[in-house]
Amino acid sequence: DAGVIQSPRHEVTEMGQEVTLRCKPISGHNSLFWYRQTMMRGLELLIYFNNNVPIDDSGMPEDRFSAKMPNASFSTLKIQPSEPRDSAVYFCASSWNMWGQETQYFGPGTRLLVL
Amino acid sequence: AQTVTQSQPEMSVQEAETVTLSCTYDTSENNYYLFWYKQPPSRQMILVIRQEAYKQQNATENRFSVNFQKAAKSFSLKISDSQLGDTAMYFCAFMPAQGGSEKLVFGKGTKLTVNP
Repeated sequence: DAGVIQSPRHEVTEMGQEVTLRCKPISGHNSLFWYRQTMMRGLELLIYFNNNVPIDDSGMPEDRFSAKMPNASFSTLKIQPSEPRDSAVYFCASSWNMWGQETQYFGPGTRLLVL
Repeated sequence: AQTVTQSQPEMSVQEAETVTLSCTYDTSENNYYLFWYKQPPSRQMILVIRQEAYKQQNATENRFSVNFQKAAKSFSLKISDSQLGDTAMYFCAFMPAQGGSEKLVFGKGTKLTVNP
């Protein structure tokens, strides 16, 4: 069974450009999470969805960040306009939200560099 | 708010020996989950082991085991017979089991190096 799939794996862009990160969760999972990892702040939860509905977006840094989950098998995280301080590794994770099954499985991450 | 503390930024161990990584957490919740994730140089986050707070028995997965002390809010990871492939960052994480929140709270991580 395929794990969480993220694309692209690496992204280099210039300040001011729009960046879109993509995620396909594990089939059958109903919760999806976006995390950001930096040296300074460690791993931070940005937003998570349950049954395609955003539940908690309190970790989204500012209005430049937006996330969508149009269906159970696809989510995007968009940064517009991008800034150098957005450089980080962005992880997507998914889980099955049922008692005893809440373990989150992570994708390989997208390494973003904003010049 | 829950917090997770890993007091050892870096550790090293000789191949085939045993090492223990420390983790403490702070919460007012009674039911929750605890996890250890491994992040090798490839950056992939890999689940190592998980523990349900309502279970008294410590979780084990092959060479990996935990020492869960609920009253002390401590959750250490023991790696037996260390292998070179165990070299990685290890993150301790907490998640409440109630209230509809699935937010994982991570510690800052411990960088483990296994020396040949």
